[in-house]
Amino acid sequence: KAGVTQTPRYLIKTRGQQVTLSCSPISGHRSVSWYQQTPGQGLQFLFEYFSETQRNKGNFPGRFSGRQFSNSRSEMNVSTLELGDSALYLCASSLGTGSPSNQPQHFGDGTRLSIL
Amino acid sequence: GENVEQHPSTLSVQEGDSAVIKCTYSDSASNYFPWYKQELGKRPQLIIDIRSNVGEKKDQRIAVTLNKTAKHFSLHITETQPEDSAVYFCAASSYQAGTALIFGKGTTLSVSS
Repeated sequence: KAGVTQTPRYLIKTRGQQVTLSCSPISGHRSVSWYQQTPGQGLQFLFEYFSETQRNKGNFPGRFSGRQFSNSRSEMNVSTLELGDSALYLCASSLGTGSPSNQPQHFGDGTRLSIL
Repeated sequence: GENVEQHPSTLSVQEGDSAVIKCTYSDSASNYFPWYKQELGKRPQLIIDIRSNVGEKKDQRIAVTLNKTAKHFSLHITETQPEDSAVYFCAASSYQAGTALIFGKGTTLSVSS
């Protein structure tokens, strides 16, 4: 089975711009969760999508949003970029059905976003 | 909300020694505790996980123990090898939080030969 695929791997943007990141989950996985990884804050949960609906959300401003398509692929959008948004953005997929809180999540390689 | 503390932040061992990383959590409703290994520039890789109805789980040289009363869980690596060198993250989630994993800050393990 192919793993979780994230595109692009690297992005450079300037303050005020917006960006869209993409994540294709493992085949058969219907849940996609997004995380932000920074040296200072570590790994922080952004939100989770299941069956095209946001099912859970972390403590990030409304500039961070996402969506999920019928094939379970997910996109994350960040608007009005700030310097502090520079980070590695990781997505993770899991089955999502049954008891979602204790299902293994498998990560992609991430998108490294740099804000100038 | 949930808070996960991880210790130590760095750990250096000789090849063949054992390594232990400890995590504590605050939410007694947490019921799932995975451990991830992240090598430099690579994705976090799930190496072992444990659910709240189990006290210990082993997979070859890796084991995880859970003490629900004390709200802590630990990763044990025996017979360490240089390829075990990486950053290790513990995490916790609860039924109420769904898939949201709350991560510890990570432990940088260095295994010298």
